[in-house]
Amino acid sequence: GAVVSQHPSWVICKSGTSVKIECRSLDFQATTMFWYRQFPKQSLMLMATSNEGSKATYEQGVEKDKFLINHASLTLSTLTVTSAHPEDSSFYICSARLVQKETQYFGPGTRLLVL
Amino acid sequence: EDQVTQSPEALRLQEGESSSLNCSYTVSGLRGLFWYRQDPGKGPEFLFTLYSAGEEKEKERLKATLTKKESFLHITAPKPEDSATYLCAVQANSNSGYALNFGKGTSLLVTP
Repeated sequence: GAVVSQHPSWVICKSGTSVKIECRSLDFQATTMFWYRQFPKQSLMLMATSNEGSKATYEQGVEKDKFLINHASLTLSTLTVTSAHPEDSSFYICSARLVQKETQYFGPGTRLLVL
Repeated sequence: EDQVTQSPEALRLQEGESSSLNCSYTVSGLRGLFWYRQDPGKGPEFLFTLYSAGEEKEKERLKATLTKKESFLHITAPKPEDSATYLCAVQANSNSGYALNFGKGTSLLVTP
């Protein structure tokens, strides 16, 4: 139980294009989903908290117009990296929190490479 | 400001050589402390949640303990397949969004 999927698992794109990453909770409903970014040899850094049906809350220093988050249902959140640049290349990981629980379950991650 | 410090940064053990990983934390009201395992190129895998000082949880060769200032992840008789990065994270009562604050992790290598 508590399985979270991400799609795609990796993506290569040209600078200036937009990339959408999907995060799905497969066997449970998630009131809240989270988006993290992880650079090589670094820990996870929270980018934003996404609540179903409402606007996402972004961490300080994260551009909300660049990283668009949509949480349209209790099982799906999407992160769109708009006008991607090489410095946006990273490992993006989502997590989902069970309703009434504190534990977050993580997806397998999406590796983004911007050329 | 909430802080999570993990030590050591890296640990190399021989198969069967037991050891402990440390996670020291300062938080304004602890809602929960979490341990995850992360393999290279993959998302973190949930291991344990601890809520209050004195609590302990076990799973196979792993045992997590919690005090008011730190948590330990004890690894008994590790095997090569236990090699991974172990992440500690705290969740504060003040955080209505249930966000996690992660430490930098301990990279564990178990050699045969």
